[in-house]
Amino acid sequence: AQKITQTQPGMFVQEKEAVTLDCTYDTSDQSYGLFWYKQPSSGEMIFLIYQGSYDEQNATEGRYSLNFQKARKSANLVISASQLGDSAMYFCAMREHNTNAGKSTFGDGTTLTVKP
Amino acid sequence: DARVTQTPRDKVTEMGQEVTMRCQPILGHNTVFWYRQTMMQGLELLAYFRNRAPLDDSGMPKDRFSAEMPDATLATLKIQPSEPRDSAVYFCASGSGNTIYFGEGSWLTVV
Repeated sequence: AQKITQTQPGMFVQEKEAVTLDCTYDTSDQSYGLFWYKQPSSGEMIFLIYQGSYDEQNATEGRYSLNFQKARKSANLVISASQLGDSAMYFCAMREHNTNAGKSTFGDGTTLTVKP
Repeated sequence: DARVTQTPRDKVTEMGQEVTMRCQPILGHNTVFWYRQTMMQGLELLAYFRNRAPLDDSGMPKDRFSAEMPDATLATLKIQPSEPRDSAVYFCASGSGNTIYFGEGSWLTVV
């Protein structure tokens, strides 16, 4: 069964500094995708970044990058130059491509607070 | 921009009433998900469809919940009868390949 673990319930970071949000996963599939979402206090779920299991390069999207370590089954999100607007809940998710025909599983989330 | 559209955005209903939530997935997306989010349980996958076929609804209370996809542009989640413990935010999401996008959610309160 697939499982996502986010061990940091809450994180603090100083504005303009970088922060890493941890995510580990467990799967028996060889083909899968990893996602990060941001959920601000307004409640919407905002897609941030995607990493495929066969992608050799770490995914990057603006200030977001995904530190993908396949052997360790980790997919940490790195946010560079934090901004006050980055304060939100962040969810890591995985989607298996074969066994579960695309079923997605989410972690419990990490609440990030950016301090001025 | 293409987006997943959910209705209603907010719903307050009395216990025992039927509630129907609707979702219009992004055109071309072949997978549709229903999630429920609460403070206690976090995000729970209730059901998901691929090419309109239900693939997994094991996360859904079968006695009162039902999910359908009558056509490619509409997914529904129905609760009958509703109970106060069903109060939550219900998200619909659609995806294809390496993208999964969420709707804005339906905020349900059952009193």
